[in-house]
Amino acid sequence: DVKVTQSSRYLVKRTGEKVFLECVQDMDHENMFWYRQDPGLGLRLIYFSYDVKMKEKGDIPEGYSVSREKKERFSLILESASTNQTSMYLCASSLSYNEQFFGPGTRLTVL
Amino acid sequence: AQRVTQPEKLLSVFKGAPVELKCNYSYSGSPELFWYVQYSRQRLQLLLRHISRESIKGFTADLNKGETSFHLKKPFAQEEDSAMYYCAQRNTGFQKLVFGTGTRLLVSP
Repeated sequence: DVKVTQSSRYLVKRTGEKVFLECVQDMDHENMFWYRQDPGLGLRLIYFSYDVKMKEKGDIPEGYSVSREKKERFSLILESASTNQTSMYLCASSLSYNEQFFGPGTRLTVL
Repeated sequence: AQRVTQPEKLLSVFKGAPVELKCNYSYSGSPELFWYVQYSRQRLQLLLRHISRESIKGFTADLNKGETSFHLKKPFAQEEDSAMYYCAQRNTGFQKLVFGTGTRLLVSP
């Protein structure tokens, strides 16, 4: 079974803090994705990566950056957290054009 | 821009009733269409994709290019079908998925 894990299930941060969300997959997938999931807005793609050190902006990249130094790990960084970044963050991975496998999510609250 | 529309935020039915969750897409080419499902306290997972043309857990979805629709159907809903359902499309040659806003299906006994 593909396993996608995220470092935290719940996270509470203060406005202005730098926040790191980590995602690890164990199936050698080349593609990894970060989404945020908000009620009424569905899933929106923040960034994705199709190879180590490669990244592409998704639909809502503002206020976020990413890092992919190793194939199995894809980090989402909030440089200066703001209250409007309070959300559920989902990581996913896929092999080529196949099914995306999702992690359990990190619920981030920014106070 | 690509857009996936799921017009219903909430669909509430009784057990045994037919279910249809609507999905319309905007791409004019030949996209791939998917339905993902998220059960309570579980991670988002693929339910079905149009190219496999299979029935999963009694659900089917037919791609209608004329109407640009990919509605999800089940003839007899079960309580365990209660979940959040997302329709998604991927355009040929691209890796990323575009998701709809989701429909919450609630099946009551």
